Amino acid sequence: DAGITQSPRHKVTETGTPVTLRCHQTENHRYMYWYRQDPGHGLRLIHYSYGVKDTDKGEVSDGYSVSRSKTEDFLLTLESATSSQTSVYFCAISESASASYEQYFGPGTRLTVT
Amino acid sequence: GENVEQHPSTLSVQEGDSAVIKCTYSDSASNYFPWYKQELGKGPQLIIDIRSNVGEKKDQRIAVTLNKTAKHFSLHITETQPEDSAVYFCAASRSAGGSYIPTFGRGTSLIVHP
Repeated sequence: DAGITQSPRHKVTETGTPVTLRCHQTENHRYMYWYRQDPGHGLRLIHYSYGVKDTDKGEVSDGYSVSRSKTEDFLLTLESATSSQTSVYFCAISESASASYEQYFGPGTRLTVT
Repeated sequence: GENVEQHPSTLSVQEGDSAVIKCTYSDSASNYFPWYKQELGKGPQLIIDIRSNVGEKKDQRIAVTLNKTAKHFSLHITETQPEDSAVYFCAASRSAGGSYIPTFGRGTSLIVHP
């Protein structure tokens, strides 16, 4: 298994509070991604990073921000959590397209906003 | 943006039967089509992929076909086994900044009855 960890694995928080999820990799892969998974919607891309301090938006980026200050860490922040952000969040990593197109996924973080 | 439709949402088969999952996509710029398998409580894992310059690819009991003209691709699993039970996702990917950004289908829950 690719060396990807996510923390926390489970979190319950209240509406309006800030939340930060962490993705950590030991593979030294250049690309990192954050997805959310909801029943009936599959996986939807929130943000991705193509290098340290280089990030871009995905299809569902509203209400989320990201930061990547080191190759190995990619943080996802919900500035003010809402109930619509209750979901399972997956981090993924990949090498450059010239090496492999495959994305490796972490174990997920289940976030509940009450 | 890209739109990926996946059918059926649920597929129930007897052990030993074949299973077929179909996906269509809308963006002709998509040129990489991975299939992921997700077991309960885990992150998705790549099982097979196909690039736009190839019409068919096979790996043991799993095969994928691609029709670029019609913008559809399919996953075929032969001689299904109970351990094939999982949720399967197709994706259509476009290149971006040296990586490939996927748009996922909504998933197919495959149930293989012993």
